[in-house]
Amino acid sequence: EVQLVQSGAEVKKPGESLKISCKGSGYSFTSYWIGWVRQMPGKGLEWMGIIYPGDSDTRYSPSFQGQVTISADKSISTAYLQWSSLKASDTAMYYCARRRGPDGNDAFDIWGQGTMVTVSS
Amino acid sequence: AIRITQSPSSLSASTGDRVTITCRASQGISSYLAWYQQKPGKAPKLLIYAASTLQSGVPSRFSGSGSGTDFTLTISCLQSEDFATYYCQQYYSYPWTFGQGTKVEIK
Repeated sequence: EVQLVQSGAEVKKPGESLKISCKGSGYSFTSYWIGWVRQMPGKGLEWMGIIYPGDSDTRYSPSFQGQVTISADKSISTAYLQWSSLKASDTAMYYCARRRGPDGNDAFDIWGQGTMVTVSS
Repeated sequence: AIRITQSPSSLSASTGDRVTITCRASQGISSYLAWYQQKPGKAPKLLIYAASTLQSGVPSRFSGSGSGTDFTLTISCLQSEDFATYYCQQYYSYPWTFGQGTKVEIK
């Protein structure tokens, strides 16, 4: 079964760092782009960025460039989203998702279950 | 960035109704548009990609149309399990962008 399994919920204080993960299985992890999507409480979906685990080519939304870092470790089929200094406004559900096609642009066909990040003093 | 305007933001409908949701892109995106369904507390689910291609396993009452700047998602005969929020997304150029969402509620 093709799936993405994300790390568990996190509660952090402002200023702390955090790295959440997304592990792929059931397919060739290095051949498909993995994206990250933010959903703030009660709000819509926001595209943050995307990485190709095969060579770590990464693209960011200007809204998130410099605010987060997307990375991947192909040896363990895992993608990451990290913050160096969290803010209260980072409180949200974060989803990873697989781009459907290995070539060309395509939709997200497989989604992780989401990781809830709460930042509060 | 390409802006996607989705409408309506919400609608009330009854089981058996035909429902239409539209998305308009701020510039041409060919057919690089997807539709997702999201239920409360769950991850989004891909319904349609390439504007009109049904994802495997998705019921045929869902259909998509359009190209260029104007797109439509139609649910031909609304079922109880279809009450959810729907999002469109363009993947023509980075940054990919989502519409604001349409919440389909029970009348």
